[in-house]
Amino acid sequence: DIQMTQSPPSLSASLGDKVTITCQASQNINKYIAWYQQKPGKAPGLLIGYTSRLVSGIPSRFSGSGSGRDYSFSISNVESEDIASYYCLQYDNSPRTFGGGTKLELK
Amino acid sequence: EVQLVESGGGLVQPGRSLKLSCLASGFTFSNYGMNWIRQAPGKGLEWVASISSSSSYIYYADTVKGRFTISRDNAKNTLYLQMTSLRSEDTALYYCAREVAVATLFDYWGQGVMVTVSS
Repeated sequence: DIQMTQSPPSLSASLGDKVTITCQASQNINKYIAWYQQKPGKAPGLLIGYTSRLVSGIPSRFSGSGSGRDYSFSISNVESEDIASYYCLQYDNSPRTFGGGTKLELK
Repeated sequence: EVQLVESGGGLVQPGRSLKLSCLASGFTFSNYGMNWIRQAPGKGLEWVASISSSSSYIYYADTVKGRFTISRDNAKNTLYLQMTSLRSEDTALYYCAREVAVATLFDYWGQGVMVTVSS
């Protein structure tokens, strides 16, 4: 199984900050990574697919990049509604595996 | 609007069985592969099982293989997860999720149903 090492586990930011989360795969995942946002008590919502493709309706302050084994997800100009947990998902190989998650909190 | 509504969760003793359902609406259910994904309290996400649109292909996580059975009824727009020999480590919120294409990312998720395995 491909292991997805996501960091940091938690992140504290001020409104307007730029934050970056990384996921490192245990092997090349050919850009088949997605990013999800999960707010407390809610189901995860898809933000980005195939490394950098923003889902329709998702604000452009969210972005993704990377290749090979190393990927990142950024939020520029953090807003209060962005306070949530974020997860990466690799779907290059079965079984599909998630990163451990990053909890974004307000400083 | 795509909707996925899970049901059937609850408190069950170790070793017992439980069957979850997920009723789908707002899309042509028979055209999409479906999945169960779980999240233990305060923990991350774990893919559990998947089933292709026509039930031809079924896959399980090693942690549930031989104990859980995924199935679907396209006439009823419903996905199922039969869980047997339940263990305390199966305690989690179980989500059903649609996949965009075979073995790819999950685009829509239900709100989840809680399963608690405890004596």
